[in-house]
Amino acid sequence: SQQGEEDPQALSIQEGENATMNCSYKTSINNLQWYRQNSGRGLVHLILIRSNEREKHSGRLRVTLDTSKKSSSLLITASRAADTASYFCAPNTGTASKLTFGTGTRLQVTL
Amino acid sequence: EAQVTQNPRYLITVTGKKLTVTCSQNMNHEYMSWYRQDPGLGLRQIYYSMNVEVTDKGDVPEGYKVSRKEKRNFPLILESPSPNQTSLYFCASSPRQGFGEQFFGPGTRLTVL
Repeated sequence: SQQGEEDPQALSIQEGENATMNCSYKTSINNLQWYRQNSGRGLVHLILIRSNEREKHSGRLRVTLDTSKKSSSLLITASRAADTASYFCAPNTGTASKLTFGTGTRLQVTL
Repeated sequence: EAQVTQNPRYLITVTGKKLTVTCSQNMNHEYMSWYRQDPGLGLRQIYYSMNVEVTDKGDVPEGYKVSRKEKRNFPLILESPSPNQTSLYFCASSPRQGFGEQFFGPGTRLTVL
């Protein structure tokens, strides 16, 4: 299995602004997943992008995947205070016994 | 409602007193896993199970046991808890490992004194 590395470690923006966080990984993947974690709670799956996809949308979320650079980005548009959370990427080889999570990006959205 | 449940949600105990954290899922998932989350270390896998009676070690299995006698349940057992097992624990399940999303429980915050 491999671990995604999220960047930046922390991000603070105002409500209404867009938030972009990045993920880098090291080996070939079958798909890459993004999760959100509100403070002290379980992770919630946000979106899955397959290795043959370059971009995917879900509501205010936009995920891109560049397999040549082994990187992905998550864009949250028109952010809200409720988006305040930690965000994790999980590169999935499709054969490993687990998903491996990094330390995440902590997003703070202020009013 | 499709969900993963954990009990207890909070537990304070003392060194050496055996405890069990239960995990149950109602989605008929084959794959289940336990993680612990510590500040600065992210989530680390403790044990996982591919199906009934099939379990294997994750990255940090020392001091823990698991069992998978039924598909829906995957309890985490601490035979002799120690303070370094103070952590936030998550159970997760997935239809099968390899391709899809994981569904996480709400977490169990354990303090070992």
